[in-house]
Amino acid sequence: DTAVSQTPKYLVTQMGNDKSIKCEQNLGHDTMYWYKQDSKKFLKIMFSYNNKELIINETVPNRFSPKSPDKAHLNLHINSLELGDSAVYFCASSQGELAVQETQYFGPGTRLLVL
Amino acid sequence: GENVEQHPSTLSVQEGDSAVIKCTYSDSASNYFPWYKQELGKRPQLIIDIRSNVGEKKDQRIAVTLNKTAKHFSLHITETQPEDSAVYFCAAPESKLSFGAGTTVTVRA
Repeated sequence: DTAVSQTPKYLVTQMGNDKSIKCEQNLGHDTMYWYKQDSKKFLKIMFSYNNKELIINETVPNRFSPKSPDKAHLNLHINSLELGDSAVYFCASSQGELAVQETQYFGPGTRLLVL
Repeated sequence: GENVEQHPSTLSVQEGDSAVIKCTYSDSASNYFPWYKQELGKRPQLIIDIRSNVGEKKDQRIAVTLNKTAKHFSLHITETQPEDSAVYFCAAPESKLSFGAGTTVTVRA
């Protein structure tokens, strides 16, 4: 009965590889997000989807491609992984379209380490 | 976030003392101010939020105050306990929700 879930929890991979992280929410929320948290704990939004449509796309390398097959899922695919991609990636969701004024529910995070 | 400044970056307090974290924002249209707590190795979770139609909100040992004129808001934790040790993030909405850089709070027993 986890509200926002992510897989995998840990991901260790070599530079140049391609990897995906999956996220699912069972809260019935309309908006989902991907955040990157670096080693200094800084939380930075990467993408936001509302009802499967991209609404926020921050300055993120185009090696990162989000995909939302339905409003309960938001996956993140990363091509040609680089050392600087090592971080914790959090998925989150919120109720409606005015997401900036609503509680964000975070997933448990995916700890990505690129060697 | 670049438009949300959070201070201090680290805070060490004796158990039972109070802790105060302050954030300033730049967008005068911002009207929702949440605080998130992230324990070590865990996800951020909302602990309290305030909307711009009130100046203060309290929930047990936690309170948030808002000064819209000065564009700053603060988190107050009273009677701190070891389980309050965590990283605390403020946030303010602009075109997106911008998070502060976080404050690592350590409560000494």
